[in-house]
Amino acid sequence: HVELVQSGAEVKKPGASVKVSCKASGYTFSSYYIHWVRQAPGQGLEWMGVINPSGGSSTIYAQRFQGRVAMTKDPSTSTVYMELSSLRSEDTAVYYCARKWIGDACDIWGQGTMVTVSS
Amino acid sequence: EIVLTQSPGTLSLSPGERATLSCRASQNFDGVSLAWYQQKHGQAPRLLIYGASSRPTGIPDRFSGSGSGTDFTLTISRLEPEDFAVYHCQQYGISPITFGPGTKVEI
Repeated sequence: HVELVQSGAEVKKPGASVKVSCKASGYTFSSYYIHWVRQAPGQGLEWMGVINPSGGSSTIYAQRFQGRVAMTKDPSTSTVYMELSSLRSEDTAVYYCARKWIGDACDIWGQGTMVTVSS
Repeated sequence: EIVLTQSPGTLSLSPGERATLSCRASQNFDGVSLAWYQQKHGQAPRLLIYGASSRPTGIPDRFSGSGSGTDFTLTISRLEPEDFAVYHCQQYGISPITFGPGTKVEI
């Protein structure tokens, strides 16, 4: 059974950082890139970036998150991570990881991780 | 970046009716790198269409995608009760990847 399982909900204060994990199972971890997408309450989907789980450190970040986001991987546990720093209230959202399939269409999605930024 | 506009914002229909959802891009991309997702409340998106018109295995054939250039359409031929949800389009032809704001299909 192919799935992505994400870490649990987080509550952070403004200025803090959050690190969300996404554990893959049921397929060859290194064969598929992983995208990160977020969704603010009542809003649409927003692409944050993508990581290549295979060798090297290939990542592409959306320009608006450059300098604030870091995507990393741990092949030994088939897990990718997304860390967002300097959090502000506008970062309150559900964060999803999703497997890149054909082109950059995403066929498998994690269940989502709610990140709340509040003082 | 490419801005995707979806219309209508909300579509009110009944089970058995046909739904036609539009997605328009602010500029041309490769014309085929477009996907549609279904999202129910509190759930992650589900891929319905990729490559503008291809369906992944397991997606019912009442869902179909069409279009090219800057205008794309998702058609649900006969709405089932479980089809009432929000539908998002996504372009992945030109970086950055962008999504439309969504169309809500409601009863």
